[in-house]
Amino acid sequence: QKEVEQNSGPLSVPEGAIASLNCTYSDRGSQSFFWYRQYSGKSPELIMFIYSNGDKEDGRFTAQLNKASQYVSLLIRDSQPSDSATYLCAVYTGGFKTIFGAGTRLFVKA
Amino acid sequence: GAGVSQTPSNKVTEKGKYVELRCDPISGHTALYWYRQSLGQGPEFLIYFQGTGAADDSGLPNDRFFAVRPEGSVSTLKIQRTERGDSAVYLCASSLGQNNEQFFGPGTRLTVL
Repeated sequence: QKEVEQNSGPLSVPEGAIASLNCTYSDRGSQSFFWYRQYSGKSPELIMFIYSNGDKEDGRFTAQLNKASQYVSLLIRDSQPSDSATYLCAVYTGGFKTIFGAGTRLFVKA
Repeated sequence: GAGVSQTPSNKVTEKGKYVELRCDPISGHTALYWYRQSLGQGPEFLIYFQGTGAADDSGLPNDRFFAVRPEGSVSTLKIQRTERGDSAVYLCASSLGQNNEQFFGPGTRLTVL
């Protein structure tokens, strides 16, 4: 079992819709959770981070964390074509490592 | 301010050769990470530096890989006797601490022929 799992996609949504990206992790001791966006040929950039159970909103983005289910998600409201990218879930498990998932490719159709 | 920089941006080498990849982190960031990313995969952890010391090098695939950060700033990832399987994008990231946002450099694309 991979430590951080994501559906590789592609996830295709129409412009203006809500995109829902999901991630599960295996280490119950995981402390912090990050969502990075990576455009093709570019390096990852941080979108959101969340530490506590529940929802955290930032503009069009909402991160949701459920530690009991070992599940974290990212919702993108009013999706735009410029949101088309690969979204990486990253989990800090304590110690020194941050473990990344393989990413979900999102396509927003104009 | 300046972000994380990496040089070279591209490196093509022949199997068996030695390569060095350089990372210049954001000024003041004590934590520095090296990752390797293959096509269709997420970044794979290689090594973490806190200051000058390698606090965790458990991600280095074998003893052909080595990294240093002698003055707590610039880091160099060294790969000996390169193999075709080493071809990937090598990413460097820095942060204020081990549980903080990581800022990534543009990466070095290594191709081993």
